[in-house]
Amino acid sequence: QVQLQQWGAGLLKPSETLSLTCAVYGGSFSGYLWNWIRQTPGRGLEWIGDIYHTGNNNYNPSLKSRVTISVDSSKNQFSLNLRSVTAADTAVYFCARGYVRRYMDVWGEGTTVTVSS
Amino acid sequence: QSALTQPRSLSGTPGQSVTISCTGTRSDVGDYNYVSWYLQHPGEAPKLMIYDVTKRPSGVPDRFSGSKSGNTASLTISGLQGEDEADYYCSSSAGSYPVFGGGTKLTVL
Repeated sequence: QVQLQQWGAGLLKPSETLSLTCAVYGGSFSGYLWNWIRQTPGRGLEWIGDIYHTGNNNYNPSLKSRVTISVDSSKNQFSLNLRSVTAADTAVYFCARGYVRRYMDVWGEGTTVTVSS
Repeated sequence: QSALTQPRSLSGTPGQSVTISCTGTRSDVGDYNYVSWYLQHPGEAPKLMIYDVTKRPSGVPDRFSGSKSGNTASLTISGLQGEDEADYYCSSSAGSYPVFGGGTKLTVL
């Protein structure tokens, strides 16, 4: 059974870079889209971006200028970097496995990230 | 503000049926048969309940069903049970990226 395990810093100061990594266990890494999604009480679920095992990626236009999603296929891992964070980036961040762009069927447990001075 | 519109809250009693609506536009719900629904309990990750408008992943009870008409998708839960109390989110492909609804809090009275 596929499991996603995610980790990264949970407390950041404004202007710092958010970095999270998600590892895929128990399943194929190729053939799927690997996603980052965040959730806030005010904005609900927001798709950040995705990446194939080949490194081809796609980003939410509203975050594109600050986001980089990368992949390490040798380790079955993918990572999120979000630069120049502000309080508005405070959220629970999830990684998830996607089937094309139709649905996401396996999710990580979520990482709470707080941006505060 | 979320791209897809859902009612903020709904309630029902055990055994009842409830339907959650999800309204989008011709560019997302209306253009793609790629609507999915997720259940989320507090403090947990979302769980896929319906995909491709009507399909259920293995293990999801057949009490959960999905449909779509025009720009509006719907999730119906029949034979409501206490464990169904949760937040529900819809999502649709909008071509190059997915969009989500704002979520519906379902209370089982």
